[in-house]
Amino acid sequence: SQQGEEDPQALSIQEGENATMNCSYKTSINNLQWYRQNSGRGLVHLILIRSNEREKHSGRLRVTLDTSKKSSSLLITASRAADTASYFCATDAQGAQKLVFGQGTRLTINP
Amino acid sequence: GAGVSQSPSNKVTEKGKDVELRCDPISGHTALYWYRQSLGQGLEFLIYFQGNSAPDKSGLPSDRFSAERTGGSVSTLTIQRTQQEDSAVYLCASSAGIGVGAQYFGPGTRLLVL
Repeated sequence: SQQGEEDPQALSIQEGENATMNCSYKTSINNLQWYRQNSGRGLVHLILIRSNEREKHSGRLRVTLDTSKKSSSLLITASRAADTASYFCATDAQGAQKLVFGQGTRLTINP
Repeated sequence: GAGVSQSPSNKVTEKGKDVELRCDPISGHTALYWYRQSLGQGLEFLIYFQGNSAPDKSGLPSDRFSAERTGGSVSTLTIQRTQQEDSAVYLCASSAGIGVGAQYFGPGTRLLVL
């Protein structure tokens, strides 16, 4: 089963609105990462949050992590058409030297 | 090079044929990963190389799949006797150092088995 599960599976909003995506995971982690994928090709690393961090910002991105609930959220503020993509969370189970990806959230920004 | 490169970009093959997919990681990155992504799905881990350590092959779906990494740099993923269910995008990623940090992905190879 997947370590990370994103919610919702698909999200469609108007340009300028904020987009929030959630990720839940099952086991203890060292860090959680978010990636973006355009057009089904290579993924681009967005942000990494460590297990001892609760919130992290990068430009218009805000990531929160709640290890007690084993969940994370990615907030994209003031969305743009170029933000249209699939977004994946990925976690590293403690002791494992690899990432496990969720199924992704398909985000569509309507102009 | 500036990023991870993969070749070929697209590969169409007939069922039963062998295919080789190549990955050139970012120079100096010691960790290299292969993933498979079926249409509209998440990434499925296949294999992981770290430096000179034995690779983690736990994600390879069958013994038809194998991978090697020569000289700690370029990696080749080989699929023998391809099946239609092998059709997917095969993604390679590399990362620096020990521990699971940010991974840098190549553009992928889209494999279609007819």
